[in-house]
Amino acid sequence: SQTIHQWPATLVQPVGSPLSLECTVEGTSNPNLYWYRQAAGRGLQLLFYSVGIGQISSEVPQNLSASRPQDRQFILSSKKLLLSDSGFYLCAWSSRGGNSPLHFGNGTRLTVT
Amino acid sequence: AQTVTQSQPEMSVQEAETVTLSCTYDTSESDYYLFWYKQPPSRQMILVIRQEAYKQQNATENRFSVNFQKAAKSFSLKISDSQLGDAAMYFCAYRGSGNTPLVFGKGTRLSVIA
Repeated sequence: SQTIHQWPATLVQPVGSPLSLECTVEGTSNPNLYWYRQAAGRGLQLLFYSVGIGQISSEVPQNLSASRPQDRQFILSSKKLLLSDSGFYLCAWSSRGGNSPLHFGNGTRLTVT
Repeated sequence: AQTVTQSQPEMSVQEAETVTLSCTYDTSESDYYLFWYKQPPSRQMILVIRQEAYKQQNATENRFSVNFQKAAKSFSLKISDSQLGDAAMYFCAYRGSGNTPLVFGKGTRLSVIA
């Protein structure tokens, strides 16, 4: 069966520090991979998605970047965090095709102080 | 661009009663897919139910069912025999027929009253 791992679960970082959140998927190959952000009590905002190694689509220009160095690995990064980067970050994967739902990781709660 | 609207920021229901959560969407595509996700306090996103636009029959999953009105672009979720464990944020989501990401609504927070 497929599983998705996302870490860390919680992170507190000072303003101006770098960020690296990692997500890996097991049990499937060539998945679509996604990073979403959820502000407190709000909906999900798509940040990045990838349909293949090295292929990244950015939905919202901002202080973050994403990379996919391996088929089942998706990394969210920042060189210098801003206070506004605080939030709940969710990684997800799906198979190809519109009828495939997204399967989410457990999320990372990021607090920038 | 496709948009998904959930007009009810908060809803409440008595335990064992039935509640309906509303969702409308805007698209020019004829082939697409719709989903409802549940996010309990743990913040884990859980797939509740999905509907293919080409299917006229409404999807059902145990106590959860949808009312899919394609012409009206409406996709409501009905929860029957509500339980305390149903308390959560519920998100409606749309996905086109291509290899595209899901578009989510802003969510409806459901409270279940014992």
